[in-house]
Parts: sequence; C-alpha cells; structure tokens
Amino acid sequence: AQSVTQPDIHITVSEGASLELRCNYSYGATPYLFWYVQSPGQGLQLLLKYFSGDTLVQGIKGFEAEFKRSQSSFNLRKPSVHWSDAAEYFCAVAENTGTASKLTFGTGTRLQVTL
Amino acid sequence: GAVVSQHPSRVICKSGTSVKIECRSLDFQATTMFWYRQFPKQSLMLMATSNEGSKATYEQGVEKDKFLINHASLTLSTLTVTSAHPEDSSFYICSARNRGRQGYTFGSGTRLTVV
Repeated sequence: AQSVTQPDIHITVSEGASLELRCNYSYGATPYLFWYVQSPGQGLQLLLKYFSGDTLVQGIKGFEAEFKRSQSSFNLRKPSVHWSDAAEYFCAVAENTGTASKLTFGTGTRLQVTL
Repeated sequence: GAVVSQHPSRVICKSGTSVKIECRSLDFQATTMFWYRQFPKQSLMLMATSNEGSKATYEQGVEKDKFLINHASLTLSTLTVTSAHPEDSSFYICSARNRGRQGYTFGSGTRLTVV
C-alpha cells in the first residue's frame, strides 16, 4: 500500500523568503502525486499534480514541485512566500488515474509566515 | 472548473440524533465519491469510497452502519452519521472524481459538533 511522509509538522518562514516543503512517498510503481493547501475550516485546494512527463511541475500561486524518483520525493517549492500562503499543506499519492483510485495523504505541514 | 458543493458547512446536533451531509457535483458527473474525516490538526483519513449506483466500500475500522453513504445519482452523494456521539465530532470532507477527469475535486467540508 502506498504511504506519504511529510517530515516537517510545522515550518515558519519570513515573508519574501523561499520555501520548500518536503514530501516522500512509498509506492512500488509510478505514483500519481498531488499537493493540496487547506486554510482553517476549509476544504482542500489543488496546488499542482504530477502524473507523467516533465518532472518539474508548475502549479497555481507560484508553487512548483519536482518529482525525483531516485529519492522518492515530491517537494513543494516557492521562491518568495507571501503572508497569504500561511496554511496547512498536504502531499498525497494515488495508485493510478482510475476513478476509484483513492488518495493517501501525508500528515500535513503547517506553514506560518512572519512579516 | 469542477465544483463540489458540500452542505451544511457547520452543524451542531444532540447526542443520539442523526445528521446528513450532502455533496453535489455542480458541473460534472461524480462517478466516484470519497468521504474523509479530519480531526483537529490531523490529516485526512479516508472513510469510504462510493461509486454511483453501488454500495460504498468502507475502510477498515469504519462502521458502515453508523456512517451511511448513499450515491444514488451522478451528482449527489450523502453521508449520514447515525446516532451521533461526541466522539463523532469532526470535520468531514467529500471528494469527487469523474471518469474523464484526472484530478479530485473537494467539497468545502462540514464541521460536525455533537453535544
């Protein structure tokens, strides 16, 4: 069964600084990887996803992520963080693109942005 | 883009009563619906997967008689928490997929408080 690890529970960065959120997955075949953001009391918004092709994926709000098969990682990055980026970030993996393929989530990383 | 409308956003009920949560896909047909539960400051845990017109598949440890899922149409799925108890208080989120879509569309979540 697939699993996802987000090693950092809580990260604090200054506004304008760069950001990298770590995600490692465990899955035997090519995974389908996602990053979501959740504001308090809200649902999940998709930032970006990787299914195949270019391993550097661009997402919304200036985020990008790089799939590294050799490291089983899919880290999320942003060159310059804005105060509005403060939220909970979840990495997730699916077995395949089939409609019944379920998402497995990591434990999340809470991002705090200081002014 | 794809939208899933989830209602209610917040509900408070008395212990022993039942609560129904609805998720509607507004501009696509939700072939598969996933129901998640999220405790404060924790990740999303999949409760069950339902395909339109079929019985839901529950994850291990989830009581199917307590959490009734109905997916009778391609645009509506409901989760009913029966005989609710305070330990059922949580944030419930649905997620929908369509046969032709690669992603998952999440509802905005329902905060259930059982008193």
